[in-house]
Amino acid sequence: SAVISQKPSRDICQRGTSLTIQCQVDSQVTMMFWYRQQPGQSLTLIATANQGSEATYESGFVIDKFPISRPNLTFSTLTVSNMSPEDSSIYLCSVRDRAEAFFGQGTRLTVV
Amino acid sequence: GENVEQHPSTLSVQEGDSAVIKCTYSDSASNYFPWYKQELGKGPQLIIDIRSNVGEKKDQRIAVTLNKTAKHFSLHITETQPEDSAVYFCAASIRAQKLVFGQGTRLTINP
Repeated sequence: SAVISQKPSRDICQRGTSLTIQCQVDSQVTMMFWYRQQPGQSLTLIATANQGSEATYESGFVIDKFPISRPNLTFSTLTVSNMSPEDSSIYLCSVRDRAEAFFGQGTRLTVV
Repeated sequence: GENVEQHPSTLSVQEGDSAVIKCTYSDSASNYFPWYKQELGKGPQLIIDIRSNVGEKKDQRIAVTLNKTAKHFSLHITETQPEDSAVYFCAASIRAQKLVFGQGTRLTINP
């Protein structure tokens, strides 16, 4: 299985600022995803990170709020822009290796 | 699009007893059904999965069953232990596309 490193593991940020989360995988993978998990809730897909092209966003998520980069097959970043307290969540990077999907440890974001 | 319903939302069982969590899905084209265990402060961990060409799969104390006709699948944990306490999520996907998750089940094993 792929090993996923996500940084930072947690952060406390001021409203109105932005945070960039990094996801590094130990092998080349075709598909990378970013999820949000609000407190006590399930996982909601934000977008599919596409290598060399713009990410594909799910309904309710927009590029201006959650810009994503994927410069190669092992790395991606998610930025949470102009943060508000409602953005306080766990953000998870996921990769799909054939059928199986694996997750990083997540970034616990608190916006104050 | 796909919709996955998971029940129950909470489950409490005595140590040594069995636990069963059930999920239903809406899209008959879905063909991959994984189960994840999430412990506090950690990311989801894949514990078992099943593909649509198989009706049942076992891995030690864990088993998953799939009924394609009824569009539901279940996780069975036997001889439960305190370390089985966690939140469990089911998911479904079509081919190698995005996963759609159920709402989660908080499983508590009482010693």
